[in-house]
Amino acid sequence: GAVVSQHPSRVICKSGTSVKIECRSLDFQATTMFWYRQFPKQSLMLMATSNEGSKATYEQGVEKDKFLINHASLTLSTLTVTSAHPEDSSFYICSARAGVAGGNAYNEQFFGPGTRLTVL
Amino acid sequence: AQSVTQLDSQVPVFEEAPVELRCNYSSSVSVYLFWYVQYPNQGLQLLLKYLSGSTLVESINGFEAEFNKSQTSFHLRKPSVHISDTAEYFCAVSPKMAAGNKLTFGGGTRVLVKP
Repeated sequence: GAVVSQHPSRVICKSGTSVKIECRSLDFQATTMFWYRQFPKQSLMLMATSNEGSKATYEQGVEKDKFLINHASLTLSTLTVTSAHPEDSSFYICSARAGVAGGNAYNEQFFGPGTRLTVL
Repeated sequence: AQSVTQLDSQVPVFEEAPVELRCNYSSSVSVYLFWYVQYPNQGLQLLLKYLSGSTLVESINGFEAEFNKSQTSFHLRKPSVHISDTAEYFCAVSPKMAAGNKLTFGGGTRVLVKP
């Protein structure tokens, strides 16, 4: 099946610094990538949807200036957590989807392994 | 909008015993349904999905789920669990006929298989 990687797998940073997380589709072209965050023992919450070459669409309540998303190519999307604070500590998971959704077609999302962010 | 409810947050079960994880959803439109499994500190893996056709779907490792439209449910079952089935299981839905194909997840059910 399709493979999605994330880098880094784990990052610890000081409060106030910015952290960039990469999401790559290794063997397919991802027209759409999704970013989720997951707090301990909780479910995944969609943060934003990014389409290659266009601005990301953020879910309600997600600060677009704090969580910068760039989807510059069909195989790479990045999430930058700017001026990170301890409350931003979480497990961030991306997923990638090929093709165009809609109609009766379903294009599967393939998930990355996640990045655990700890802000001290 | 869609919502997904997983009624059990934790399910302890003995090895080789059956297990059922309950999932109910709410949606004003038709949806696709999914079960994902997450092992500790890992991303999600698709376990099985219902897109159309037969309401009973099976995975390669012995899990099955049945779509019940009248009860808006998609319960997951396995007749005999292994230690390796210890994981978190998420039920999810995605609206049909929607450009985004966004997934809405339930709260998750943690399965702990005991020897």
